[in-house]
Amino acid sequence: AQKITQTQPGMFVQEKEAVTLDCTYDTSDPSYGLFWYKQPSSGEMIFLIYQGSYDQQNATEGRYSLNFQKARKSANLVISASQLGDSAMYFCAMREPLTQGGKLIFGQGTELSVKP
Amino acid sequence: GAGVSQSPRYKVAKRGQDVALRCDPISGHVSLFWYQQALGQGPEFLTYFQNEAQLDKSGLPSDRFFAERPEGSVSTLKIQRTQQEDSAVYLCASSLARGGSQAPTYEQYFGPGTRLTVT
Repeated sequence: AQKITQTQPGMFVQEKEAVTLDCTYDTSDPSYGLFWYKQPSSGEMIFLIYQGSYDQQNATEGRYSLNFQKARKSANLVISASQLGDSAMYFCAMREPLTQGGKLIFGQGTELSVKP
Repeated sequence: GAGVSQSPRYKVAKRGQDVALRCDPISGHVSLFWYQQALGQGPEFLTYFQNEAQLDKSGLPSDRFFAERPEGSVSTLKIQRTQQEDSAVYLCASSLARGGSQAPTYEQYFGPGTRLTVT
């Protein structure tokens, strides 16, 4: 069965510094997708970044980058130059193969607090 | 363009009441998902539609939960005889992706959720 593990319930970072949020996964499927979502207190889930299992390079989207280490089954999110607005819950998710429907399996989340 | 919308945003139900939660996906999105998010937890999958066909309902916690998408667009999640453990945020997401597609990046776009409180 597929599983996502986020071991950091909460993280603090100083404004303008970089922070890494950990995510490990487990799957026997060779084809999968990894996502990070941000959930502010308003409750909406905001897509941040995607990494495909066959992608050769780590994904980047603005201040977000994904440190993908396939052999270690980890997909850590790096946020550079943290901003106060980055304070939120962050969820790592794995998408099952699209041929099986493509539902997302979420981790427990990490609450990030950015300090001024 | 318009995103995924859900209504109502908040619902308070007395134990034993039936509730209906509505999801309007992004126009043209083939796939629609329902997730349940308990307080302090990550979302958990409930059910999945491809157009009007419900292809996976393995996550529905009991036969009190029922979902439909009769015309392949708007979907309704119905909970009969609500219980306190049903209290959660119910999230709807839609995606362009369809089963069998080779396109890898089709992320799921989420609605704002419906917060259900059963008293």
